[in-house]
Amino acid sequence: TAGITQAPTSQILAAGRSMTLRCTQDMRHNAMYWYRQDLGLGLRLIHYSNTAGTTGKGEVPDGYSVSRANTDDFPLTLASAVPSQTSVYFCASSDTSGGLSEQFFGPGTRLTVL
Amino acid sequence: KNQVEQSPQSLIILEGKNCTLQCNYTVSPFSNLRWYKQDTGRGPVSLTIMTFSENTKSNGRYTATLDADTKQSSLHITASQLSDSASYICVVRRQTGANNLFFGTGTRLTVIP
Repeated sequence: TAGITQAPTSQILAAGRSMTLRCTQDMRHNAMYWYRQDLGLGLRLIHYSNTAGTTGKGEVPDGYSVSRANTDDFPLTLASAVPSQTSVYFCASSDTSGGLSEQFFGPGTRLTVL
Repeated sequence: KNQVEQSPQSLIILEGKNCTLQCNYTVSPFSNLRWYKQDTGRGPVSLTIMTFSENTKSNGRYTATLDADTKQSSLHITASQLSDSASYICVVRRQTGANNLFFGTGTRLTVIP
């Protein structure tokens, strides 16, 4: 079982360019999440989706957009990248969005914006 | 303000020794607390979850404690191994709200031979 996969593994992007980070899960989880992880700041929620067809804003949504057309995929798009978006991005999924549900994380995408 | 604070920020111990990591939180109303282990270059993996009524829970050499009155949790690692070198992240869930997970910044543990 693959679990949750992310692509690409790493990317160097010129400022002003757009990019989509891909995330796919095969666990049929209802909820999916995008986080960024920066040194000294821990994981911060960018956007989330409690179920296919719905999305919501997290703690740091500016400059990012998401879509959830189906259960398995939850892409994150940077429309016009800026250097402050240099970070490691983690996608996660969970069976439900609350209670005792455990979030399962992907391996991460390391993004550098120059 | 809902916060999760972990200490120490980093820790170096000799292989075979024990250590304890701390997590203090102000998240309210409290639902549960989860400890994650994050190996370098990987995503976090859950070690254990603590609910309001649980005081202690073990997962192999990892033992988590929770004091809901003082809003403190600890993760004790017994007989450390080199593979325990990782970041350990405390995550607290609040009962209400759309964005109801609060993450600590983690403790970076290094086990040396």
